[in-house]
Amino acid sequence: GENVEQHPSTLSVQEGDSAVIKCTYSDSASNYFPWYKQELGKRPQLIIDIRSNVGEKKDQRIAVTLNKTAKHFSLHITETQPEDSAVYFCAASPPYNFNKFYFGSGTKLNVKP
Amino acid sequence: DAEITQSPRHKITETGRQVTLACHQTWNHNNMFWYRQDLGHGLRLIHYSYGVQDTNKGEVSDGYSVSRSNTEDLPLTLESAASSQTSVYFCASSETEWTDTQYFGPGTRLTVL
Repeated sequence: GENVEQHPSTLSVQEGDSAVIKCTYSDSASNYFPWYKQELGKRPQLIIDIRSNVGEKKDQRIAVTLNKTAKHFSLHITETQPEDSAVYFCAASPPYNFNKFYFGSGTKLNVKP
Repeated sequence: DAEITQSPRHKITETGRQVTLACHQTWNHNNMFWYRQDLGHGLRLIHYSYGVQDTNKGEVSDGYSVSRSNTEDLPLTLESAASSQTSVYFCASSETEWTDTQYFGPGTRLTVL
């Protein structure tokens, strides 16, 4: 089955700097890659997703890039703000598993003011 | 507004008791999922369902069961609660069995003493 690894497990940046979180996946058939943000005590919420037919997607300060050859995808947050502090999860979903998600172990991002 | 809810939000029980956690969604989504979240393990899939009368085991299904008698609800039952089942439980739903976003409920914090 699919296996997703996420790095780093913790990331501390200064406000205004960029943050990058990387995930690798094992199954080349995976074709959907969502990213979730989870604030302390809250539910995971989708912030951006990408499908395998595109290489990059942006939404304001957030972008996701996908490298299918290397089987990795990354979350980029520019101009970080204290409210970006949260745990971020990546996931991969192979089409043959009918919408089952395989999650990474999470990255705790701390944005220092 | 359509939403996904979980109840109770917090539960304390004793070892050996049966516990049922409720999940209810009003989006008319076909797919529903149960995850547990523990430090260092991210989100792990317990059980999932693609429609009424359909249930499937996830990667950590031992000691848990689900039933799907209607589209809106997927209750999770711990047959005989164990301390190892102390965790935060999230329910999620998605519209189709193909590549589709999962939306999470607010979570239930369960403590087994």
